[in-house]
Amino acid sequence: DAKTTQPTSMDCAEGRAANLPCNHSTISGNEYVYWYRQIHSQGPQYIIHGLKNNETNEMASLIITEDRKSSTLILPHATLRDTAVYYCILTNFGNEKLTFGTGTRLTIIP
Amino acid sequence: GAVVSQHPSWVICKSGTSVKIECRSLDFQATTMFWYRQFPKQSLMLMATSNEGSKATYEQGVEKDKFLINHASLTLSTLTVTSAHPEDSSFYICSARDQSNQPQHFGDGTRLSIL
Repeated sequence: DAKTTQPTSMDCAEGRAANLPCNHSTISGNEYVYWYRQIHSQGPQYIIHGLKNNETNEMASLIITEDRKSSTLILPHATLRDTAVYYCILTNFGNEKLTFGTGTRLTIIP
Repeated sequence: GAVVSQHPSWVICKSGTSVKIECRSLDFQATTMFWYRQFPKQSLMLMATSNEGSKATYEQGVEKDKFLINHASLTLSTLTVTSAHPEDSSFYICSARDQSNQPQHFGDGTRLSIL
């Protein structure tokens, strides 16, 4: 069962901020929102995760709505190397499994 | 930090042979390692979870006698595809984490082609 819903694909101009939405309306109280990305023919790369508060690291920012039913991953200044499939995944701390959906194919356009 | 190395990156072999894939955590101790499989144009599917020193837990539909997993140390797990057939051709990816409250970090995958 898909617990998250993401757009199939998005384009973003190089140098602009890329905003990737994720809906998770059935999220439970102890589930975290994780974001990974997979560049073609490579293993997934961890980006960021959060529970309730917005988070920022050197790669991206994660904005989680107050009701936690949706979130947005922000890549502040997209480069061509950010072209990848981005996965939004819910998991409990201690939950062993990451269930990958179909993700969003982000294409950065020169 | 949190580097996971996978070897080999690609392998081609004849039907009926067995293939071993190694997954190493280079700069941390991985109490738990995971093995995934990804067919072309599909998403990653978890095959099994292994904890150091104990038997792996396999997902439904994954044959434990065909996909042998060994996690003998805190930095190494191996996946052996026994008697491989063309339908086993896929992209195999491992991940590892040190503690349950830490993200999984992934290797770069092994592309397996069975002729």
